[in-house]
Amino acid sequence: EAGVAQSPRYKIIEKRQSVAFWCNPISGHATLYWYQQILGQGPKLLIQFQNNGVVDDSQLPKDRFSAERLKGVDSTLKIQPAKLEDSAVYLCASSRHQETQYFGPGTRLLVL
Amino acid sequence: AQTVTQSQPEMSVQEAETVTLSCTYDTSESDYYLFWYKQPPSRQMILVIRQEAYKQQNATENRFSVNFQKAAKSFSLKISDSQLGDAAMYFCASASSGSRLTFGEGTQLTVNP
Repeated sequence: EAGVAQSPRYKIIEKRQSVAFWCNPISGHATLYWYQQILGQGPKLLIQFQNNGVVDDSQLPKDRFSAERLKGVDSTLKIQPAKLEDSAVYLCASSRHQETQYFGPGTRLLVL
Repeated sequence: AQTVTQSQPEMSVQEAETVTLSCTYDTSESDYYLFWYKQPPSRQMILVIRQEAYKQQNATENRFSVNFQKAAKSFSLKISDSQLGDAAMYFCASASSGSRLTFGEGTQLTVNP
């Protein structure tokens, strides 16, 4: 069974630019999560999808971050415009029955 | 709301020895799950072990086992016969059914040859 796929793996942008990350969950997993992990900290949830509906986006900075899950499968997370403090690893995870979450390799973002 | 605390920022162990990583948590939920994830320098989070709160028996996965003390809200990870490949950041996490993972701040484990 293929794992969670994410791209790109690395991204360097300047502040005020926009960036998008892509995630493909494990086949058959209905729930998809995006986490932000700042260096030296544990990951924190940005948004949770159940199929193509949003379950929890309470910690998503909606003035600059947006996310969608197309047809309940792939998901895209966008930042526009980026700030220096957005430098982090963005982790995508999926789960089948809302229990154990399996993570992708992450996208490392550096905002200069 | 859930909180997870890992009081050991760094730990070290000799190869082939045993080490225990500590974790305490707080939750108002009656149905929840506890996890240990490993994060090597590649930054991918890898599931090590999972415990359902309703189960009294401690979970075990090969060289990894937990000591789950529900009343004390304690969830420690024991790694036996430590190997060089076990070196990584270890995160304790909790989740109620269907919701986000809440992570601790992590423990950096070094394995000395």
